Amino acid sequence: NAGVTQTPKFQVLKTGQSMTLQCAQDMNHEYMSWYRQDPGMGLRLIHYSVGAGITDQGEVPNGYNVSRSTTEDFPLRLLSAAPSQTSVYFCASTGAYTDTQYFGPGTRLTVL
Amino acid sequence: AQTVTQSQPEMSVQEAETVTLSCTYDTSENNYYLFWYKQPPSRQMILVIRQEAYKQQNATENRFSVNFQKAAKSFSLKISDSQLGDTAMYFCAFMNNNAGNMLTFGGGTRLMVKP
Repeated sequence: NAGVTQTPKFQVLKTGQSMTLQCAQDMNHEYMSWYRQDPGMGLRLIHYSVGAGITDQGEVPNGYNVSRSTTEDFPLRLLSAAPSQTSVYFCASTGAYTDTQYFGPGTRLTVL
Repeated sequence: AQTVTQSQPEMSVQEAETVTLSCTYDTSENNYYLFWYKQPPSRQMILVIRQEAYKQQNATENRFSVNFQKAAKSFSLKISDSQLGDTAMYFCAFMNNNAGNMLTFGGGTRLMVKP
């Protein structure tokens, strides 16, 4: 099993550009989520999904969109990048009957 | 909403000694889980230890143990026989398993183990 994979690992954007961060898991987990980690801080929840076709907002959802068309994939879209979105982004997954979150390796995003 | 507070931004310890990292949380829930995660410079999130709130016995994983005080809403991590590889950021996290198993994190404690 590859676990949770994220692409790209690094990305530089200009203000106003849009892009999609990819996340995939091969553990057949029902729950998937996106977190952001700003320098010197803990992770904060952006959006999450409890199953295909079901998404909900977390603590810091503004400026991001998500969709969950399959169990395996949970992409995060930045609609119009802003410097405040410079951060490290983590995708995570877990099963409905387990409490352990599996994290991807993260994507470092810089918005100029 | 839950909040998690780590009051020690940075700590240091000599190799082979013991160190305790503090964490407090606030919740109105009765059923929940608490975690400590380690984040080395590689930035990978590594689960160190977990505790179910309904269990009174403190969790232990090799050199890592917790002191869980439910009434005080306190969840500290003790690292015994500290090793250089323990140098990392440590995050305390709360999970309410009625909310999609999502995590609320504290701000982290940077631990430096000195030779």
